[in-house]
Amino acid sequence: GNSVTQMEGPVTLSEEAFLTINCTYTATGYPSLFWYVQYPGEGLQLLLKATKADDKGSNKGFEATYRKETTSFHLEKGSVQVSDSAVYFCALTSIQGGSEKLVFGKGTKLTVNP
Amino acid sequence: DTGVSQDPRHKITKRGQNVTFRCDPISEHNRLYWYRQTLGQGPEFLTYFQNEAQLEKSRLLSDRFSAERPKGSFSTLEIQRTEQGDSAMYLCASSLFWGNNEKLFFGSGTQLSVL
Repeated sequence: GNSVTQMEGPVTLSEEAFLTINCTYTATGYPSLFWYVQYPGEGLQLLLKATKADDKGSNKGFEATYRKETTSFHLEKGSVQVSDSAVYFCALTSIQGGSEKLVFGKGTKLTVNP
Repeated sequence: DTGVSQDPRHKITKRGQNVTFRCDPISEHNRLYWYRQTLGQGPEFLTYFQNEAQLEKSRLLSDRFSAERPKGSFSTLEIQRTEQGDSAMYLCASSLFWGNNEKLFFGSGTQLSVL
């Protein structure tokens, strides 16, 4: 079945540091890939997505590239801020363009210190 | 647009009791999803509706669980004869699905503790 594996946390960085959170997936067909973020006390929010190989999703300075050859969708940001502290979830769905039955990774907690 | 609203935010119950949660989606959203999230895990899909029709249910949704969306607006999730293993955060999400485009908006969840 479909599954997502993301790097274990927690991750602690200083402000302006470079961030990478690794995500790999197993899926049949051609899944769509997502990164969701959950800020303290809030609901999950879509951060970015990519729907086909070599697509790059980007938002708020975060980027992730859909790599079919390595089945990966790593999240990166060049310079993190304290306000980026949150839990980040990688997810996929095998429904093209839709969000039915999203499969999530376990989440990676990021703490950014000033 | 007030976002997806879930009620209650927290529920503590004794094993064997029935509980019901409510989700109010964003107005005009035609799809509504329920997910469950346990500590240290990502959300797991439970079921979803398109308008009032329940289109899919996960194997995680035992016969003690039932979800409804009677008028295609709000939804309820009921758990009968609760067990300690039901303790989790129950998340609701809604979307306006058209063509091949969909974006989910999640509520803040209902935290259930079964004693």
